[in-house]
Amino acid sequence: KQEVTQIPAALSVPEGENLVLNCSFTDSAIYNLQWFRQDPGKGLTSLLLIQSSQREQTSGRLNASLDKSSGRSTLYIAASQPGDSATYLCAALNDYKLSFGAGTTVTVRA
Amino acid sequence: GAVVSQHPSWVICKSGTSVKIECRSLDFQATTMFWYRQFPKQSLMLMATSNEGSKATYEQGVEKDKFLINHASLTLSTLTVTSAHPEDSSFYICSAFPLAGGYQETQYFGPGTRLLVL
Repeated sequence: KQEVTQIPAALSVPEGENLVLNCSFTDSAIYNLQWFRQDPGKGLTSLLLIQSSQREQTSGRLNASLDKSSGRSTLYIAASQPGDSATYLCAALNDYKLSFGAGTTVTVRA
Repeated sequence: GAVVSQHPSWVICKSGTSVKIECRSLDFQATTMFWYRQFPKQSLMLMATSNEGSKATYEQGVEKDKFLINHASLTLSTLTVTSAHPEDSSFYICSAFPLAGGYQETQYFGPGTRLLVL
């Protein structure tokens, strides 16, 4: 059974600082790994999807890396802004099922 | 982009009543939809996989008689919480795979339904 862990659980940084969010998973036989953003009381917004054959994906200020063999993924957010404040979830896809981590709640202070 | 809607977004009901939540893919067809629940400050937990035209597959520990799932068309799946109790209060989110894509593609998530059982 896939277990996904995210560290840290919460993070507070001043505006402009770079963010590093970590995700680890126990079963390396994944199809892909995704990063989502969730605002309070809202659904999920997909940020980045990394296929199992890829090492990283980039979108604007966001960059996600994947190391399947060690079961780790890292989400980097450059030059953080108050609007980046949210909970970030990573999820690993095995077969057709997504297993989610508990998330990292980010607060960016103006 | 692909859009998934859920209705209602908020529901408050009395203990013992049944509540139906709809999940619709608005601009694509989906043979497979998923239902998740999320307790406060916890992650999403997969409840069941809903397949169009066949019975849903429930995850271990999820009561199939309590959480009835119907996937009657390629754009609609419903989750009915039967005889709801306060412990069923949670945030329910659905997702869907586009028919044209493989499971390696992203799932599209609905905005969620918050259920409060009094």
